[in-house]
Amino acid sequence: GENVEQHPSTLSVQEGDSAVIKCTYSDSASNYFPWYKQELGKRPQLIIDIRSNVGEKKDQRIAVTLNKTAKHFSLHITETQPEDSAVYFCAALLGNAGNMLTFGGGTRLMVKP
Amino acid sequence: NAGVTQTPKFQVLKTGQSMTLQCAQDMNHEYMSWYRQDPGMGLRLIHYSVGAGITDQGEVPNGYNVSRSTTEDFPLRLLSAAPSQTSVYFCASSRGQGTETQYFGPGTRLLVL
Repeated sequence: GENVEQHPSTLSVQEGDSAVIKCTYSDSASNYFPWYKQELGKRPQLIIDIRSNVGEKKDQRIAVTLNKTAKHFSLHITETQPEDSAVYFCAALLGNAGNMLTFGGGTRLMVKP
Repeated sequence: NAGVTQTPKFQVLKTGQSMTLQCAQDMNHEYMSWYRQDPGMGLRLIHYSVGAGITDQGEVPNGYNVSRSTTEDFPLRLLSAAPSQTSVYFCASSRGQGTETQYFGPGTRLLVL
């Protein structure tokens, strides 16, 4: 099966700074890598995703990069704002296992005003 | 569209009791799944279904049963609740398998005493 590791577990940044969260995965057959944001007491919500045929994807202040050779992908948030404070989860989809997403352990991001 | 709905929002059970967590979606999604989220951890897949009449096990299926008699509903049954099943349970759905966005329900918080 797939194994996803996520670092760091907590991240504190000053408002306006950038934040980077990294994930590694174990199975080279994984082909889809979404990122979810979960605010306290709420459901996870997709913020960006990347497929294995793309190396980078950007959506306003959020970007994701994928290195298939090294089997790692990263979330980059620029110009952080207090409302970016949440827990972020990465996940990997093993392509030959239906739609079974394996999640990382999460990163608690705190943006200090 | 209501999206993905879950009931109840919160439940307290005694060890050995059984109950059913309800999940419904009105987006005509083929794929539905159940996850559990323990404090400070990521989501782990319990069971999933790729369509009505078809279910399969995820990462942590023991102690849980599912059925999918309609496209809309995907109930999760706890056969004999144990304290280790204290968790937040999320149901999710997506249009299909593979690299389709999963939409999560609001969650059910379960406490087993």
